[in-house]
Amino acid sequence: KAGVTQTPRYLIKTRGQQVTLSCSPISGHRSVSWYQQTPGQGLQFLFEYFSETQRNKGNFPGRFSGRQFSNSRSEMNVSTLELGDSALYLCASSLQTGGDTQYFGPGTRLTVL
Amino acid sequence: EDKVVQSPLSLVVHEGDTVTLNCSYEVTNFRSLLWYKQEKKAPTFLFMLTSSGIEKKSGRLSSILDKKELSSILNITATQTGDSAIYLCAVAKNTGNQFYFGTGTSLTVIP
Repeated sequence: KAGVTQTPRYLIKTRGQQVTLSCSPISGHRSVSWYQQTPGQGLQFLFEYFSETQRNKGNFPGRFSGRQFSNSRSEMNVSTLELGDSALYLCASSLQTGGDTQYFGPGTRLTVL
Repeated sequence: EDKVVQSPLSLVVHEGDTVTLNCSYEVTNFRSLLWYKQEKKAPTFLFMLTSSGIEKKSGRLSSILDKKELSSILNITATQTGDSAIYLCAVAKNTGNQFYFGTGTSLTVIP
């Protein structure tokens, strides 16, 4: 069974631009969660989508948004990029919501110049 | 405020040593605790623990949860250089899939 895939793997943007990251979960998984990983803060939860609905949201500004499609694929958008948004963005999928085991994709490394 | 704390922050051992990594948590509506291993890529799942006192084992790795003490340990016996990684502890709540991660323990195994 194919794992979680994320595209693109690397991105370089400049301040003020916006970016869209994509995540395809494991086949049959309906929950997709997004995390930001930085050296100083570790893994921080952004949001979770289940059945095309946002179920939970972490403590991030409104510039961070996402959505999920009917095939469970998810996208995350960051608008008006700031230098501090440089991070590894990880997507994780699980069968169900509610604390089910999450399986991570390889991540998208975003660098904001 | 929900939080997960791991210790030590980093550890350097020799091949063959046994190590114990610690994770303590303060999370409301606790559902489960998970351990992940992260090398230079995405975290890979190791264990999920939901019941206190039950040990989960996989080869040289084992983990146990103490819900009374709100903590868990991850043991690695006969360490190998391939065990070098960051080990992450995460706690899941009953509501939604919001996992709270510790900052990890960086383990380096030298030959």
